[in-house]
Amino acid sequence: GQNIDQPTEMTATEGAIVQINCTYQTSGFNGLFWYQQHAGEAPTFLSYNVLDGLEEKGRFSSFLSRSKGYSYLLLKELQMKDSASYLCAAMDSNYQLIWGAGTKLIIKP
Amino acid sequence: SQTIHQWPATLVQPVGSPLSLECTVEGTSNPNLYWYRQAAGRGLQLLFYSVGIGQISSEVPQNLSASRPQDRQFILSSKKLLLSDSGFYLCAWTGMVGDRVDGYTFGSGTRLTVV
Repeated sequence: GQNIDQPTEMTATEGAIVQINCTYQTSGFNGLFWYQQHAGEAPTFLSYNVLDGLEEKGRFSSFLSRSKGYSYLLLKELQMKDSASYLCAAMDSNYQLIWGAGTKLIIKP
Repeated sequence: SQTIHQWPATLVQPVGSPLSLECTVEGTSNPNLYWYRQAAGRGLQLLFYSVGIGQISSEVPQNLSASRPQDRQFILSSKKLLLSDSGFYLCAWTGMVGDRVDGYTFGSGTRLTVV
């Protein structure tokens, strides 16, 4: 079957670095997406990885290993506004997204 | 650039009343369109998707239906709302450039409360 696993909740300190892991199993693979979702709002796109390796965008980076079915989202220089849920989603061979349940990230001062 | 519009932002409807939520995309042609629902504190549940005009695929049996009367318009409907239809409804679109996915973007969502 198809499955996405990510931690339910993580806590980190303002100014620190946090890594949110995601493992996936899909029928075929057409890329891995990360989204940020603040409470009561729509998800906003953070990154899309289809090739192995690390992609950096400012304070956020995303890594993919297709052979391991593994991705992580790295957030640096954490700010209070980074408190949100982070959603991992893998796209299968039919171009459908398989969603994780999301990781709630709590930032403490 | 491409944009996605979804309205209304919030809606309070009585049980048994009809529903129509609309989503439109600008700046692209032949997008794939999606309707999701998110219950409070829960993950995203795909309800419907469409790869073209008049082509609708349903992911879960339910009290809702979807239609795509135009290339960039996607409508979510119900004839009679149930209390369990309450939730946060999100429209999304994606495009393709060759065989490469060109983004997967959400609208701002509609918060539906059935009373």
